[in-house]
Amino acid sequence: AAGVIQSPRHLIKEKRETATLKCYPIPRHDTVYWYQQGPGQDPQFLISFYEKMQSDKGSIPDRFSAQQFSDYHSELNMSSLELGDSALYFCASSPNRGTADYEQYFGPGTRLTVT
Amino acid sequence: AQTVTQSQPEMSVQEAETVTLSCTYDTSESNYYLFWYKQPPSRQMILVIRQEAYKQQNATENRFSVNFQKAAKSFSLKISDSQLGDTAMYFCAFAVRNDMRFGAGTRLTVKP
Repeated sequence: AAGVIQSPRHLIKEKRETATLKCYPIPRHDTVYWYQQGPGQDPQFLISFYEKMQSDKGSIPDRFSAQQFSDYHSELNMSSLELGDSALYFCASSPNRGTADYEQYFGPGTRLTVT
Repeated sequence: AQTVTQSQPEMSVQEAETVTLSCTYDTSESNYYLFWYKQPPSRQMILVIRQEAYKQQNATENRFSVNFQKAAKSFSLKISDSQLGDTAMYFCAFAVRNDMRFGAGTRLTVKP
């Protein structure tokens, strides 16, 4: 079965640079979520999109932005990177389809290292 | 605000035995979902089991089952016949609408 695809899997950036993480949800899933998991921490919700519109916002810094495109893939744009942004970034998708189905399927994550 | 608490940072169990991981949550919502996710060393987040709050029957998935006590806001995970491959971090998660919150996790080690 198709799973959530994230690219790149690993990314190394320097401080103050920008990074773009991509997420391709499971086919026919219309909702995408982004999470940040620091070392030894639980995943923290950043932001979600439903039908290309932002649906919920969590602890996403102002330096980050995200969007969902017409093919439902999503991109997380991170600017002015800081050392503390080093983390594993998960994307998850779910088939909301207007129903109360909250089961989220996670991608493999993108490991971002800021040096 | 919704909070999820996992009070056991680490646990261990002998292979083939049973272990129970605890999770409590706090919410004023009446309709919500609860999940247990497994995160092995690969860091992949894998859904283990889910429970809808409006269902009284406890969810079961093969060797994994939950004890859902809605009034007590408790959602524990029981792993029967533990296997070495069960060694992982286990996160309890609570979701209402599109907002999912995770507990701090319990690191489970299955010993041979």
